[in-house]
Amino acid sequence: EAGVTQSPRYAVLQEGQAVSFWCDPISGHDTLYWYQQPRDQGPQLLVYFRDEAVIDNSQLPSDRFSAVRPKGTNSTLKIQSAKQGDTATYLCASSLGVAEQFFGPGTRLTVL
Amino acid sequence: GQQVQQSPTSLVLQEGENAELQCNFSTSLNSMQWFYQRPGGSLISVFYNPSGTKQSGRLTSTTVIKERRSSLHISSSQITDSGTYLCAMEPSGSWQLIFGSGTQLTVMP
Repeated sequence: EAGVTQSPRYAVLQEGQAVSFWCDPISGHDTLYWYQQPRDQGPQLLVYFRDEAVIDNSQLPSDRFSAVRPKGTNSTLKIQSAKQGDTATYLCASSLGVAEQFFGPGTRLTVL
Repeated sequence: GQQVQQSPTSLVLQEGENAELQCNFSTSLNSMQWFYQRPGGSLISVFYNPSGTKQSGRLTSTTVIKERRSSLHISSSQITDSGTYLCAMEPSGSWQLIFGSGTQLTVMP
């Protein structure tokens, strides 16, 4: 069984540029999470979905970040105008309901 | 304050020694997970432990939900155990994970 996959693995941007991250969860998992992990810190939740519905996006910087999961499977996280403070690893995870979460390899973002 | 307190922050062992990592939670929780992460690597789930004791090889996790604490015991440490161990809790009434800051473990030959 394939795990959670993410792309790209790395991204380097200038401030002000836009970037999108893509996540493919484990097949059959209805819940999908996006976390941000700054260097040398634990991950922090940005947003999570059950099927195609956003359950909690209260920690997503709504002025520049957006996330969608239109068919309840794959998901895209987008940063409209990146800032240096966005430098971090972006992790996607999935689970079947309220259960163990499985994480993808992450996308390491550097904003110059 | 922080909802997940993890200790110690870092730990250096000689190969063969045992390690005990602790997590304390400030709010009620449904369950918790322990993860392992190498520098620049992904999060690997070590234990999903709603409550009680689980063992996998040299690793043992004990979670006492009522007391809001969990521990991870590593016996007979090996160099390949080096990395960061993170605990995370699932608060009551939520599906998200709230992570501790991690314990950086270094096992020396």
